[in-house]
Amino acid sequence: GENVEQHPSTLSVQEGDSAVIKCTYSDSASNYFPWYKQELGKRPQLIIDIRSNVGEKKDQRIAVTLNKTAKHFSLHITETQPEDSAVYFCAASTSGTYKYIFGTGTRLKVLA
Amino acid sequence: KAGVTQTPRYLIKTRGQQVTLSCSPISGHRSVSWYQQTPGQGLQFLFEYFSETQRNKGNFPGRFSGRQFSNSRSEMNVSTLELGDSALYLCASSERQGVREQYFGPGTRLTVT
Repeated sequence: GENVEQHPSTLSVQEGDSAVIKCTYSDSASNYFPWYKQELGKRPQLIIDIRSNVGEKKDQRIAVTLNKTAKHFSLHITETQPEDSAVYFCAASTSGTYKYIFGTGTRLKVLA
Repeated sequence: KAGVTQTPRYLIKTRGQQVTLSCSPISGHRSVSWYQQTPGQGLQFLFEYFSETQRNKGNFPGRFSGRQFSNSRSEMNVSTLELGDSALYLCASSERQGVREQYFGPGTRLTVT
């Protein structure tokens, strides 16, 4: 069935370092890949997304890369700051539906 | 624009009872989806509505149902509550077909005792 695997489950980095979170999807029909950030007690917030016709997308300190052949995509955060500390979720979906298959989440801790 | 709103924010119910949760999408958004979030299972898709029609349903028992009204507001209902239904229930809205981004509400925290 449809599945998205996400690694690592926890990640601690020093402030200013980079963080990378990786996801692998199983449904080859998936063509939209959003990333959400969820701070404690708050709603998931869309931070960046990528479509299958694009290999990489950047937004300031955040970037996402997609390898369709290997069916995996990654979130890269550079120059991490304490306010980047949160749980990050990747997701995958196919055309014609808003059904997202989510990864299990990565708890990122940025140490000051 | 105001964001997605959900009511109530917190709810405590007893096993066997039923519950109705409400979601108001961002103004102008016509699609609403529902997700269950638990520490053990993560975020799992419940259902998806567009123009009052259920377009997709996740792998949940028939005790979970939903609907969407003509103003795009949506409700979900859980009957015969079980302890395992304790979770954060999130709804998300999207503007229209073809726009892929979804925006989440703050959720309703349901506790079943």
